[in-house]
Amino acid sequence: QKEVEQNSGPLSVPEGAIASLNCTYSDRGSQSFFWYRQYSGKSPELIMSIYSNGDKEDGRFTAQLNKASQYVSLLIRDSQPSDSATYLCAVNSMNNNAGNMLTFGGGTRLMVKP
Amino acid sequence: GAGVSQSPRYKVAKRGQDVALRCDPISGHVSLFWYQQALGQGPEFLTYFQNEAQLDKSGLPSDRFFAERPEGSVSTLKIQRTQQEDSAVYLCASRQMWGGRETQYFGPGTRLLVL
Repeated sequence: QKEVEQNSGPLSVPEGAIASLNCTYSDRGSQSFFWYRQYSGKSPELIMSIYSNGDKEDGRFTAQLNKASQYVSLLIRDSQPSDSATYLCAVNSMNNNAGNMLTFGGGTRLMVKP
Repeated sequence: GAGVSQSPRYKVAKRGQDVALRCDPISGHVSLFWYQQALGQGPEFLTYFQNEAQLDKSGLPSDRFFAERPEGSVSTLKIQRTQQEDSAVYLCASRQMWGGRETQYFGPGTRLLVL
């Protein structure tokens, strides 16, 4: 059973629009949440991290976390063709002094059309 | 170095051959992770080191997979008697901790193709 779920897409949005990417997770003990961007043939690149309920904004990116609903999302404003990539949601259930791994969703492929 | 490095970047192996994949983490990062990423999937955890100690190897798919980090820096992932299902990208990540928060930085990966 997959612990982190994402719609595989592709999600297609026009240039300048808002792209909304969603992720649900099953482990209620999860404490750290991450969005990675992965271009084809490249390694994942961290773009956002969020640890508490609510919104966190960084430039054109906003991460939203709702622990009660076990839901995390990423909004990309003013989408650009260069944002076209696979977006991976990752979750970590770190305990004190433990080195728990990241559990990744399967990724959502985003296509931004000029 | 500036980031996590991995070598080789590409490896083609014949079925049954042994392979060794190398990871150089970011200097000073004590935590190191190996992940396997199949085509069209998200990365999946293989194993974790804290310094030289392998604290979690629950993700290794079989006893053909072995990882080590003898001096707490460079790590090697070894796959014995490779099978076609081992074809994937193998990603190494090192982790920075600050104020209870973490960031995992990924290397470029080694793309393994087993024929």
